[in-house]
Amino acid sequence: AQSVTQPDIHITVSEGASLELRCNYSYGATPYLFWYVQSPGQGLQLLLKYFSGDTLVQGIKGFEAEFKRSQSSFNLRKPSVHWSDAAEYFCAVGARNTDKLIFGTGTRLQVFP
Amino acid sequence: DSGVTQTPKHLITATGQRVTLRCSPRSGDLSVYWYQQSLDQGLQFLIQYYNGEERAKGNILERFSAQQFPDLHSELNLSSLELGDSALYFCASSQVSGANVLTFGAGSRLTVL
Repeated sequence: AQSVTQPDIHITVSEGASLELRCNYSYGATPYLFWYVQSPGQGLQLLLKYFSGDTLVQGIKGFEAEFKRSQSSFNLRKPSVHWSDAAEYFCAVGARNTDKLIFGTGTRLQVFP
Repeated sequence: DSGVTQTPKHLITATGQRVTLRCSPRSGDLSVYWYQQSLDQGLQFLIQYYNGEERAKGNILERFSAQQFPDLHSELNLSSLELGDSALYFCASSQVSGANVLTFGAGSRLTVL
């Protein structure tokens, strides 16, 4: 069965620091992979997605993620965090033969000035 | 604004009651998904409709039901409500079935007292 693990429940960084949020997935084949962000009181916004091809994908707001098949990981990175990046981040996996997404439990990012 | 409209934004009701949550998908999207977000369960997939037909079912309770109408809007009906049903209910839509790229609404927050 598909599953997604986000090992970090809560991360705190200083503004301007680099960021890496971890995501590990379990799936028998190459899945579709996604990162969504949820700001307080808001819905989920798609940051980026990986379907195939180049394993380093660029997203909105300066985020990028790298698919590493050998590690079953899809970590999200940003070189310099802004205070407005404080939010909850969800990694999700989708199977190629279904439509639903399976989400991780989320990582709450706090940014200090 | 994501283009996915959910009403109501907030709803407070009592145990044993029934409520209906409404979702209008993004223009041109044929597929509608319902997710439940709670503190203890995270984001759980409930059900998906594609062009009026049920396409996939997740962890949806028997007390819950949904449908998609000819104009493609969808309703999620929650009955015999329990305290544990208090959650944020998200609707998402996608253009085609199998694309996995979901656009989320802002959610309907249900509080059961």
